[in-house]
Amino acid sequence: RKEVEQDPGPFNVPEGATVAFNCTYSNSASQSFFWYRQDCRKEPKLLMSVYSSGNEDGRFTAQLNRASQYISLLIRDSKLSDSATYLCVVRTGGGNKLTFGTGTQLKVEL
Amino acid sequence: NAGVTQTPKFRILKIGQSMTLQCTQDMNHNYMYWYRQDPGMGLKLIYYSVGAGITDKGEVPNGYNVSRSTTEDFPLRLELAAPSQTSVYFCASSPLGESPLHFGNGTRLTVT
Repeated sequence: RKEVEQDPGPFNVPEGATVAFNCTYSNSASQSFFWYRQDCRKEPKLLMSVYSSGNEDGRFTAQLNRASQYISLLIRDSKLSDSATYLCVVRTGGGNKLTFGTGTQLKVEL
Repeated sequence: NAGVTQTPKFRILKIGQSMTLQCTQDMNHNYMYWYRQDPGMGLKLIYYSVGAGITDKGEVPNGYNVSRSTTEDFPLRLELAAPSQTSVYFCASSPLGESPLHFGNGTRLTVT
């Protein structure tokens, strides 16, 4: 089983739609969780950290379920500019060793 | 601030050649990392450093070497390039071990 698993997509959604991505992780000792966004042929950029109580940043909501070992990202009112690959990232142990998922591709269409 | 700067952006190597991928950051971050990203795969950690003079192996270190003589610079050395090293290489930095990463623009390397 992969350490971090994501549905690769692509998710094709119309502008204005709500879309959700899930990510599962295998190590129950994982400590920190993040969503990064990566545009085509560009570097990953931090979208948001994921906190135990869940957190929201504008149209983006992240949730963590430690019991089931998954995190989710909800995007409301999708914009064309949200088209990108969303990377689930998990930190386990010290030294900031992060494990990246393979990413979920989102395409927002007119 | 320039952030994390990588050079070159693109490079084609022949099998057996060597090269150094440069990475420098101007944010005074202690932690620096090298990742590679293959198509359809997640980023894999090659090497990382928690400060000047300290480096450690990541998940896929074979075929690579690093050094960290200053806080700013963290070059990645390929000694004998192989086709399996064809990839996109990202350098990143963070101020603390728990902080999010700041990535450079990447170096696209092809070994033929």
